[in-house]
Amino acid sequence: NAGVTQTPKFQVLKTGQSMTLQCAQDMNHEYMSWYRQDPGMGLRLIHYSVGAGITDQGEVPNGYNVSRSTTEDFPLRLLSAAPSQTSVYFCASRAGTGRTDTQYFGPGTRLTVL
Amino acid sequence: GQQVMQIPQYQHVQEGEDFTTYCNSSTTLSNIQWYKQRPGGHPVFLIQLVKSGEVKKQKRLTFQFGEAKKNSSLHITATQTTDVGTYFCADPRDQTGANNLFFGTGTRLTVIP
Repeated sequence: NAGVTQTPKFQVLKTGQSMTLQCAQDMNHEYMSWYRQDPGMGLRLIHYSVGAGITDQGEVPNGYNVSRSTTEDFPLRLLSAAPSQTSVYFCASRAGTGRTDTQYFGPGTRLTVL
Repeated sequence: GQQVMQIPQYQHVQEGEDFTTYCNSSTTLSNIQWYKQRPGGHPVFLIQLVKSGEVKKQKRLTFQFGEAKKNSSLHITATQTTDVGTYFCADPRDQTGANNLFFGTGTRLTVIP
């Protein structure tokens, strides 16, 4: 199993550009989520999905869209990038929504918005 | 609202010294998970604590869950350079049944050889 994969690993955007961060998992996990990590802020939840066709907002959803058309894929879209979105983005998955389910993270995408 | 605070934010130790990081919550937690993130890497699950007063050990790492389930700690005995990284606690919160994981701000450990 590859686990959770993310592409690209690095990206530089100009303000106003759009892009999609890709995330895929091959563990047949129902739950997937996106976090952003900023210095001193820990990991903050952007959006999550409890299954194909179902998505919901996390702590910091503004400026981001998601969709979940398949169990495997959970892309994150930035419609109009802003410098405040410079961050490291992690995709994660869990088998389900149980409180004791542990989370598996992808390697991350390091995004810089100029 | 519910919030988990993690201290200290940074810790520098000489190799061989001990290290402890603490997570404190204003409300009772159902369970708590601990993750480690190496520099430039991604968070990796270490352990989960569920029961009040629970203590679990992984080699030189000891994890504790408070009796009131409002605090937790991670203690590393005789640190090694391989322990370098950021340690996070995380608690699941039942939002619309999803039990999203919310992470503390982390403790970044530096080990000086």
